[in-house]
Amino acid sequence: GDSVTQMEGPVTLSEEAFLTINCTYTATGYPSLFWYVQYPGEGLQLLLKATKADDKGSNKGFEATYRKETTSFHLEKGSVQVSDSAVYFCALKTGSYIPTFGRGTSLIVHP
Amino acid sequence: NAGVTQTPKFQVLKTGQSMTLQCAQDMNHEYMSWYRQDPGMGLRLIHYSVGAGITDQGEVPNGYNVSRSTTEDFPLRLLSAAPSQTSVYFCASSYSGAGGNNEQFFGPGTRLTVL
Repeated sequence: GDSVTQMEGPVTLSEEAFLTINCTYTATGYPSLFWYVQYPGEGLQLLLKATKADDKGSNKGFEATYRKETTSFHLEKGSVQVSDSAVYFCALKTGSYIPTFGRGTSLIVHP
Repeated sequence: NAGVTQTPKFQVLKTGQSMTLQCAQDMNHEYMSWYRQDPGMGLRLIHYSVGAGITDQGEVPNGYNVSRSTTEDFPLRLLSAAPSQTSVYFCASSYSGAGGNNEQFFGPGTRLTVL
């Protein structure tokens, strides 16, 4: 079946540092890929998505590229801020109704 | 649009009590689902629905019931609460749409404690 593997956290960075959160997947067919973000005390919200190979999703300074050859969708940001502290979830969706989520990676950014 | 709304925000139950967690969406989404989130466990799917009158079990359905009488509402019932059901519960909805690439919209969550 489909699965998503994310790097375990927490990831702790200083403000303005470069961020990478790794995500790899296993899927039948050609999935769409997503990153969701969950701020403290809130529900998940979509951060970015990519629907086919080599697509790049971007939003709020975050980027991720759909790499079919390595089955990866790593999340990157060039300069993190304290306000980026949150839990980040990688997810995929094929033709089924419900997406498959990774376990989430907690990001803590210190001033 | 209010999006996905959930009530209550917080709830404390005693073991054996029953209750219903409410979820509503105003986006005319066909798909709705319930998840629970526990530390270190990520999101686990409890039940989902692909339209009014149609529901199915997810990964962890035991102890929970659902029904979908309208497109807008998808309540989750705890039949006899147990301490293992202490968790944060999220409702989500999405379009059916072609291509399977439509994102989910999540509610703010219900934080449930069972004593």
